[in-house]
Amino acid sequence: KAGVTQTPRYLIKTRGQQVTLSCSPISGHRSVSWYQQTPGQGLQFLFEYFSETQRNKGNFPGRFSGRQFSNSRSEMNVSTLELGDSALYLCATRNAGGGPPETQYFGPGTRLLVL
Amino acid sequence: AQSVTQPDIHITVSEGASLELRCNYSYGATPYLFWYVQSPGQGLQLLLKYFSGDTLVQGIKGFEAEFKRSQSSFNLRKPSVHWSDAAEYFCAVGDRGAQKLVFGQGTRLTINP
Repeated sequence: KAGVTQTPRYLIKTRGQQVTLSCSPISGHRSVSWYQQTPGQGLQFLFEYFSETQRNKGNFPGRFSGRQFSNSRSEMNVSTLELGDSALYLCATRNAGGGPPETQYFGPGTRLLVL
Repeated sequence: AQSVTQPDIHITVSEGASLELRCNYSYGATPYLFWYVQSPGQGLQLLLKYFSGDTLVQGIKGFEAEFKRSQSSFNLRKPSVHWSDAAEYFCAVGDRGAQKLVFGQGTRLTINP
């Protein structure tokens, strides 16, 4: 199976702009979670989508949003970018079939730099 | 609330030496525990996981970890490290169904030749 795909891999934006990141899950995986990784705060959970619905949400401002499509692909959007939004954004996917707990498989990430 | 502590920010070991990376967690119920590894500029790769059962779990690349409930620990070990093990290692605890992971701050491993 192909792994988790994230596009683009690198992005440079300026303050005030908005950005959209994309995540394509492993085939058959229906849950997509997003994490932000920064040197200061480490890895932090943003939100999880399952069956096109947000199921969990971390402690981030409303500028961070996401959505999931019927094919399980997910996008996250950050509006009115701030310098502090510079980070590696990782998505993780899993089957979420309702059985035993499962492993989240991570993509390579999108490196966002806000100038 | 769940939390994970990795007390060592940076560890340096010689190639061929043994390794132990520490992880302590705080969680009210039975924890789901994971170790991930991240090479520079890359995503996270799962090394091993603990859901239940045998408290000593084997992972990829010769790593193992032991779950000790009494100590709230899930330390990662490897008997003999290789230069390619240089990376950052993250311990994580998952909630019910492992829907959301809470990560430690990571331990950066440097290997001396």
